Amino acid sequence: DAGVIQSPRHEVTEMGQEVTLRCKPISGHNSLFWYRQTMMRGLELLIYFNNNVPIDDSGMPEDRFSAKMPNASFSTLKIQPSEPRDSAVYFCASSLALEQHFGPGTRLTVT
Amino acid sequence: AQSVTQLGSHVSVSEGALVLLRCNYSSSVPPYLFWYVQYPNQGLQLLLKYTSAATLVKGINGFEAEFKKSETSFHLTKPSAHMSDAAEYFCAVSGDAGNNRKLIWGLGTSLAVNP
Repeated sequence: DAGVIQSPRHEVTEMGQEVTLRCKPISGHNSLFWYRQTMMRGLELLIYFNNNVPIDDSGMPEDRFSAKMPNASFSTLKIQPSEPRDSAVYFCASSLALEQHFGPGTRLTVT
Repeated sequence: AQSVTQLGSHVSVSEGALVLLRCNYSSSVPPYLFWYVQYPNQGLQLLLKYTSAATLVKGINGFEAEFKKSETSFHLTKPSAHMSDAAEYFCAVSGDAGNNRKLIWGLGTSLAVNP
């Protein structure tokens, strides 16, 4: 079991650039979650998918953020255009039941 | 609506002392409850979970938690702290029936262990 895989692990970009974060969930898991973690706001759920369908995107901050899950083994979180306040650690997690398994995260820095 | 309150954003204990991290929840349905641990620069890792079986749940690394319905609590304990227990700990409760894959998270408690 390779666990949840996220790429890249670190991303540094300039304000205004497009950023794409990638996630490969654990094989067989049918729910996928995107979280953002900052010192100020803690752990925030951005969006989650069930069977590749977005179920709850109420945590997506604004239209600059979008997420897709084209198949059961891949998801992306895109920020366009990026802003310095988007700097955070972004986690992907997957689950088969309620227990969520987290990836190692992507640390995003927007300068 | 479901909610989780973790009392104390920072807890400091001496090595060998009892660890007690507090979690209270609110739920409109019978809850499933979780404790996760996050070590520096890592993702969250499941410590233990309550899924309506035994009220005293044992997890990894010597941690355990007791579900107390009357107190709506799910406090995490460890009899003797080790330096390696220094980390961030998160309590979570299952979402409502309509959003049943979602977990509601507490703000976390940072545990420091002093030599």
